[in-house]
Amino acid sequence: KNEVEQSPQNLTAQEGEFITINCSYSVGISALHWLQQHPGGGIVSLFMLSSGKKKHGRLIATINIQEKHSSLHITASHPRDSAVYICAVHYTGNQFYFGTGTSLTVIP
Amino acid sequence: DSGVTQTPKHLITATGQRVTLRCSPRSGDLSVYWYQQSLDQGLQFLIQYYNGEERAKGNILERFSAQQFPDLHSELNLSSLELGDSALYFCASSVGGAGGFGGETQYFGPGTRLLVL
Repeated sequence: KNEVEQSPQNLTAQEGEFITINCSYSVGISALHWLQQHPGGGIVSLFMLSSGKKKHGRLIATINIQEKHSSLHITASHPRDSAVYICAVHYTGNQFYFGTGTSLTVIP
Repeated sequence: DSGVTQTPKHLITATGQRVTLRCSPRSGDLSVYWYQQSLDQGLQFLIQYYNGEERAKGNILERFSAQQFPDLHSELNLSSLELGDSALYFCASSVGGAGGFGGETQYFGPGTRLLVL
């Protein structure tokens, strides 16, 4: 009922490529977060969305509430973008669930 | 550097023991969140405190407890440790969160790596 599904699980791209990571959820949410986890383990919050689209540098996040789907796009990918990207949703009722993550490797 | 500090960085202990993990939030943040990341379960939300009071509870085991002190730092206590408790434990903080979280950016600490032998 509260599943969060991410795809793909693993992604390898050449430097400069446009990358898309997808996240689907099953019921109504209050907010959706995109997180980046570096190889050393540290986690950084990239975006928090409840509707529409947000952009920060080369990163763009969109959410479609009706389709229960969010995407994270990286334009002009760079090796320093290599990390695990995690989608997390806040369901009403104050519960927070994480996707299993997408491991991205960008090759120079 | 997120401004959130966690101690210790690493902890090795034995089954049946009890440990305390500590988190200091960013200056001015009132909410603290605790998460567990294990290889088989991924990231899981454990519990949130806002200004000293429990605000939201996730998949926290009865053997685990947390509290937030008047100076807003938080401690996560893990007791009767089992091998399966070996994981990375993160805390995060946010400015508000009085109504539970979801609507705010969270700032994550570097984590405490717990190994139970």
